[in-house]
Amino acid sequence: DAKTTQPNSMESNEEEPVHLPCNHSTISGTDYIHWYRQLPSQGPEYVIHGLTSNVNNRMASLAIAEDRKSSTLILHRATLRDAAVYYCILKGMRGSARQLTFGSGTQLTVLP
Amino acid sequence: EAGVAQSPRYKIIEKRQSVAFWCNPISGHATLYWYQQILGQGPKLLIQFQNNGVVDDSQLPKDRFSAERLKGVDSTLKIQPAKLEDSAVYLCASSSRVGAPGNTIYFGEGSWLTVV
Repeated sequence: DAKTTQPNSMESNEEEPVHLPCNHSTISGTDYIHWYRQLPSQGPEYVIHGLTSNVNNRMASLAIAEDRKSSTLILHRATLRDAAVYYCILKGMRGSARQLTFGSGTQLTVLP
Repeated sequence: EAGVAQSPRYKIIEKRQSVAFWCNPISGHATLYWYQQILGQGPKLLIQFQNNGVVDDSQLPKDRFSAERLKGVDSTLKIQPAKLEDSAVYLCASSSRVGAPGNTIYFGEGSWLTVV
């Protein structure tokens, strides 16, 4: 059963910011929010993860709602190389929640 | 740092034949995963190893799929006999610690299998 909900697809213009939403209303207190992306013909790659506070790294920013029931991955300036499927995944501490369980993700198209 | 290595990159076989995929994880990573990704879907976990022991193989179709990780480093995934529905990308991944919720998992490029 899917624990996160993401739009199937989104479009963005090159060099503009992109906000990829994710809903996870059943998140537990110990679940981390992970984002991975998969470029065409590649394996998934780690983007960012967080627990409660907003997080920034060289690839993206992760904004987590105060109630933790939703989060947003922010790409500050989309490039054509950011076109990929983006997966929002909850990873917990017990049982099957310890696994990285992928949904169908959001297909991001970047327009030149 | 070298990433997760997989081979072969591509394989085409006839149904009922057998196939084996090889994976070399990132050096020092104790945890190794095999995922199956069917076209248009997200990856699905088949099996997870911690060193050379199996942590989770609940979604591995054991009547035809087998996997081993001798000596706790390299791993092989075998399918015998293959069915048409096994056509997919087989992804190997590794991480340094099992179960830690903040842990990052690193994926290989995958082995693309077509069963005809």
